Amino acid sequence: AQKITQTQPGMFVQEKEAVTLDCTYDTSDPSYGLFWYKQPSSGEMIFLIYQGSYDQQNATEGRYSLNFQKARKSANLVISASQLGDSAMYFCAMREGHGSSNTGKLIFGQGTTLQVKP
Amino acid sequence: DAGVIQSPRHEVTEMGQEVTLRCKPISGHNSLFWYRQTMMRGLELLIYFNNNVPIDDSGMPEDRFSAKMPNASFSTLKIQPSEPRDSAVYFCASRLLLTGQNLNTEAFFGQGTRLTVV
Repeated sequence: AQKITQTQPGMFVQEKEAVTLDCTYDTSDPSYGLFWYKQPSSGEMIFLIYQGSYDQQNATEGRYSLNFQKARKSANLVISASQLGDSAMYFCAMREGHGSSNTGKLIFGQGTTLQVKP
Repeated sequence: DAGVIQSPRHEVTEMGQEVTLRCKPISGHNSLFWYRQTMMRGLELLIYFNNNVPIDDSGMPEDRFSAKMPNASFSTLKIQPSEPRDSAVYFCASRLLLTGQNLNTEAFFGQGTRLTVV
């Protein structure tokens, strides 16, 4: 069963505007981590931001922030002040664990392609 | 730090041939993942190792696929015999797994191997 869902195959945003990329997840493990990665057209996978299941505050990294709503099991990525270089595919990922054993399996959603318009 | 190193970057082979993809994780990382990326199926986790031990190979498509990690600095993914439907980009990723704690470290990806089976 798919554990990570990204419902937006493609998104457009105007340069300098903010955009939200959706991600929902499913796990019964109380301890987990959520990650966002960016994959530009060159193909490499670039880590952007991380949120732990026990973190009280939403994670932020520069123009990236993660809107973590634990009860709704969502971890949306917000990119503020979009730039042309933000055009890429974005993947949400979840690290599952087994409590303290933390076996660390990392699974990805299907991805969202973001295009920033000048 | 050289990052995760994959070889070859590109591989074109004929159907029925054996293909071996190689990965050198980041020094000190103790968790290694093999992923396959296609347009249709996205980024699929094939297998992952913790401390050189395979933890979950449920994503390996069939017996034609095998993966080994003989030591902490090297892993291989082998396809024998290869088929056209195996054409994809194969990524290797590594991370530092800290057991017993709710700490999360991101996975670092290699540049990928683009495999084409004709």
